[in-house]
Amino acid sequence: SQTIHQWPATLVQPVGSPLSLECTVEGTSNPNLYWYRQAAGRGLQLLFYSVGIGQISSEVPQNLSASRPQDRQFILSSKKLLLSDSGFYLCALNGQGSEQYFGPGTRLTVT
Amino acid sequence: AQSVTQLDSHVSVSEGTPVLLRCNYSSSYSPSLFWYVQHPNKGLQLLLKYTSAATLVKGINGFEAEFKKSETSFHLTKPSAHMSDAAEYFCVVSPRSNDYKLSFGAGTTVTVRA
Repeated sequence: SQTIHQWPATLVQPVGSPLSLECTVEGTSNPNLYWYRQAAGRGLQLLFYSVGIGQISSEVPQNLSASRPQDRQFILSSKKLLLSDSGFYLCALNGQGSEQYFGPGTRLTVT
Repeated sequence: AQSVTQLDSHVSVSEGTPVLLRCNYSSSYSPSLFWYVQHPNKGLQLLLKYTSAATLVKGINGFEAEFKKSETSFHLTKPSAHMSDAAEYFCVVSPRSNDYKLSFGAGTTVTVRA
């Protein structure tokens, strides 16, 4: 069965600092991968998705970027964090249909 | 275009009583529909999915949902609530075309009273 790992689980960073969140998956090959953000009191917002190595689509203009250097690795980055980047970041992959399976998440607090 | 409306932002039930979470959807296509559960500081877990087979869908942990096309609804039920059911629940719609874009409802927070 497929497994999604996210690292780190929690992170506290000052404004203006860089960011790197990692998502790795097991038990599947060539998945579609997704980054979502869940801000306090708000729903899930799709940030990026990837259908393969080096292929990234951005859904929302912002100071975040994503990369997919390997088939089972998806990275979310920022050069300079903003307070508004705080939230719960979730990585997901597609199932056999259009359902998605989510990782455990990373709680980011920007101070 | 597709959208989801969860009719209740918060539902409170007593342990052992039924739970009903209401969801209405709109979709230009014949949709796939899902319910997810999220416990605090955890990822979303798929409870069940509807993909055009039986209209009554059974999921994990005793949950089930009924797809009613005429009412554009996909309500989630459980006959007897357990304390562990306290969580946030999301109704989600996806067009049958396997588009990558899921549309999430705003969520319903369930509280279970002892």
